[in-house]
Amino acid sequence: EAQVTQNPRYLITVTGKKLTVTCSQNMNHEYMSWYRQDPGLGLRQIYYSMNVEVTDKGDVPEGYKVSRKEKRNFPLILESPSPNQTSLYFCASRDGPAYEQYFGPGTRLTVT
Amino acid sequence: GQSLEQPSEVTAVEGAIVQINCTYQTSGFYGLSWYQQHDGGAPTFLSYNGLDGLEETGRFSSFLSRSDSYGYLLLQELQMKDSASYFCAVRGSNYQLIWGAGTKLIIKP
Repeated sequence: EAQVTQNPRYLITVTGKKLTVTCSQNMNHEYMSWYRQDPGLGLRQIYYSMNVEVTDKGDVPEGYKVSRKEKRNFPLILESPSPNQTSLYFCASRDGPAYEQYFGPGTRLTVT
Repeated sequence: GQSLEQPSEVTAVEGAIVQINCTYQTSGFYGLSWYQQHDGGAPTFLSYNGLDGLEETGRFSSFLSRSDSYGYLLLQELQMKDSASYFCAVRGSNYQLIWGAGTKLIIKP
């Protein structure tokens, strides 16, 4: 089954404790993205990657890091999480210039 | 700057027709997409318009006018399961998707 998976689905952590949210897709898509979703603000892109070892900042990259060492994986790293990073995070993938984007189930992060 | 405008909330009655509008202002334009998101779920793709005109997929249709920087999603024969948020998204330069803030569709019996 074609899918994007994220782990963990829910995470409660404390300020400053480094964390990684994993994302994996099995569709051989080149293009992957991370979004955060906050009430009333829609989806805001954090980082995106057009292929292995090619990443770039989205609209709200501050406080986040990503890496793309393999085509299928695109982890999101919060080196020192802060309460304003409490949000719902989605990973997504797309086949290059294709318009249909596939989303993971989401990770609800709470930073206290 | 780049922006997409859509109403924050729309209310309709079960069985009726509803239209959700989207106007955009972007530096590049390579198509308008629509996504549906139920509460607690992930967005799922509904439709795409690359050229002017109407695209129909079952009860859902989507329209685009590039000269007016405008599109809409039309939902017919509304069902309670259509209660969700609907997002328009423009594919701009560098393959990036630019998103609207979403329209919450409330359906009353």
